[in-house]
Amino acid sequence: RKEVEQDPGPFNVPEGATVAFNCTYSNSASQSFFWYRQDCRKEPKLLMSVYSSGNEDGRFTAQLNRASQYISLLIRDSKLSDSATYLCVVNTDKLIFGTGTRLQVFP
Amino acid sequence: NAGVTQTPKFRILKIGQSMTLQCAQDMNHNYMYWYRQDPGMGLKLIYYSVGAGITDKGEVPNGYNVSRSTTEDFPLRLELAAPSQTSVYFCASSYWDRNTEAFFGQGTRLTVV
Repeated sequence: RKEVEQDPGPFNVPEGATVAFNCTYSNSASQSFFWYRQDCRKEPKLLMSVYSSGNEDGRFTAQLNRASQYISLLIRDSKLSDSATYLCVVNTDKLIFGTGTRLQVFP
Repeated sequence: NAGVTQTPKFRILKIGQSMTLQCAQDMNHNYMYWYRQDPGMGLKLIYYSVGAGITDKGEVPNGYNVSRSTTEDFPLRLELAAPSQTSVYFCASSYWDRNTEAFFGQGTRLTVV
């Protein structure tokens, strides 16, 4: 079983749609969790950290369920500029990346 | 404000050649990482380091070596390059606090022919 698993997509959604990505992790000792965004042929950049209480940053909401070892990212009111690959990242004593979920927002 | 600097940006190697990918960070981060990303895939951890003089294997270390003699530098050595090592290589760094962000270099695109 992979340490971090994500649905690879692609998710094709119209502008204004709400889209949700899910991620599961296998190591129950994982200590911190993140969502990164990667644009085509560029380096990954931090989108947001994920906390047990859930957290929101504008149109983005991240949630963590430690009991189910599950992380989610919700994007509301999708913009064309949200088109990218979203990477789920888990930190035990090192950063492990999921394979990424590709999002394409169309007009 | 340099952040994480990787060199070279592009390289073509012949099978059996060797090379060193350079990575330097100026943020005094103690953690440093090397990842490879194959087309359409996620990042796979090659090696990482929690501080100068300490390195550990990641998921895909075979065919690579690293060293960490200083806090700033974390070079990745490829010995006897093979076509399977054609990939984009990313170096990253972060503070010891696991809740902090990792910063990435712009990547090295390596082709082995």
